[in-house]
Amino acid sequence: EDQVTQSPEALRLQEGESSSLNCSYTVSGLRGLFWYRQDPGKGPEFLFTLYSAGEEKEKERLKATLTKKESFLHITAPKPEDSATYLCAVKDSNYQLIWGAGTKLIIKP
Amino acid sequence: AAGVIQSPRHLIKEKRETATLKCYPIPRHDTVYWYQQGPGQDPQFLISFYEKMQSDKGSIPDRFSAQQFSDYHSELNMSSLELGDSALYFCASSPTENTGELFFGEGSRLTVL
Repeated sequence: EDQVTQSPEALRLQEGESSSLNCSYTVSGLRGLFWYRQDPGKGPEFLFTLYSAGEEKEKERLKATLTKKESFLHITAPKPEDSATYLCAVKDSNYQLIWGAGTKLIIKP
Repeated sequence: AAGVIQSPRHLIKEKRETATLKCYPIPRHDTVYWYQQGPGQDPQFLISFYEKMQSDKGSIPDRFSAQQFSDYHSELNMSSLELGDSALYFCASSPTENTGELFFGEGSRLTVL
């Protein structure tokens, strides 16, 4: 069964303390892995698309990487405004979008 | 830039009532998705439309129905509301059918009393 698992469920960091969020997946025929950011009470905001192992994408303090089994969202020197829930989703061979449960990131000033 | 517009933003209904949510996708986006999100949960896919036809169906209850109109806006109709239907309902649109790059609206918060 296709599955997406995100870890940790929640992560508290001090401002400037770099870390990584994990998204592991088991899916038949990956047709893309997608990262989103969601602020409380708002719709998810698209961040990155990754299609093949070894691919990397960057945006400001965020960098997403992909292997054959997992993706990492690296956050470098985070600021309080980076606090949000980060969601990972994958498209399987049937083009179904399967969502992870998210990692709630809290950056303390 | 134009975004996905949802209305109403907040809705309060009694049990067994009906509710209708509206979604206006980004111009030239041909695919619309509806999601339900409970507190602390990931978005649950309900239904999608491509070029005004239903393209995929997720965990949408039989009490719910949706359609996409000729101007590409979509409506989610919910009948016989239950307490468990209280949630945030998001509409998203995308420029192509099989992408995972979705653009979400601000959501409609439904509270069933």
